[in-house]
Amino acid sequence: LAKTTQPISMDSYEGQEVNITCSHNNIATNDYITWYQQFPSQGPRFIIQGYKTKVTNEVASLFIPADRKSSTLSLPRVSLSDTAVYYCLVGYTGRRALTFGSGTRLQVQP
Amino acid sequence: DAGITQSPRHKVTETGTPVTLRCHQTENHRYMYWYRQDPGHGLRLIHYSYGVKDTDKGEVSDGYSVSRSKTEDFLLTLESATSSQTSVYFCAISEGQGALHFGNGTRLTVT
Repeated sequence: LAKTTQPISMDSYEGQEVNITCSHNNIATNDYITWYQQFPSQGPRFIIQGYKTKVTNEVASLFIPADRKSSTLSLPRVSLSDTAVYYCLVGYTGRRALTFGSGTRLQVQP
Repeated sequence: DAGITQSPRHKVTETGTPVTLRCHQTENHRYMYWYRQDPGHGLRLIHYSYGVKDTDKGEVSDGYSVSRSKTEDFLLTLESATSSQTSVYFCAISEGQGALHFGNGTRLTVT
């Protein structure tokens, strides 16, 4: 199982770009990298998923280097509503457990 | 969210009683998961299922059992509830590639 390491917390200001990096040194060939956002009292919400290189959607970008041992979630121009906990999950659905790391608590200030 | 319903949403029970939480999906996804989340902590995997009648243990399975007799339902049972099992329980489903979709959670209090 790929263990992940993320910063425990980050602070930013409205309008800034935020980059959260996740380390996953023992990622397996079949593993995907998926990021989730969680607000208090809610279940985590899927943000973005990638396998290699760069993926972009309407809310975020995901950068994955060639060795795939880390990944970076990029949130452009954050707002107060982006204050949440962000989790990086590495794995592949199958007869395998999907376990989360501790997550990164992002606090966006006005 | 993604056709997942958890029931009940809230429950208070006494130590020593059995409790069953239900996760129902309308997406026909093959994979289903139960996680617990304690205040200020991340998600810990209790049990998961990769098909009807196919289940396996996660990180914190002691004191819990699961059953999946139909694709759409995944039941989590606390055989004899303890105060340490007071938590928020999340069910998640997936069709593949590690992308999970979560329910709204069940808040369980064991007194």
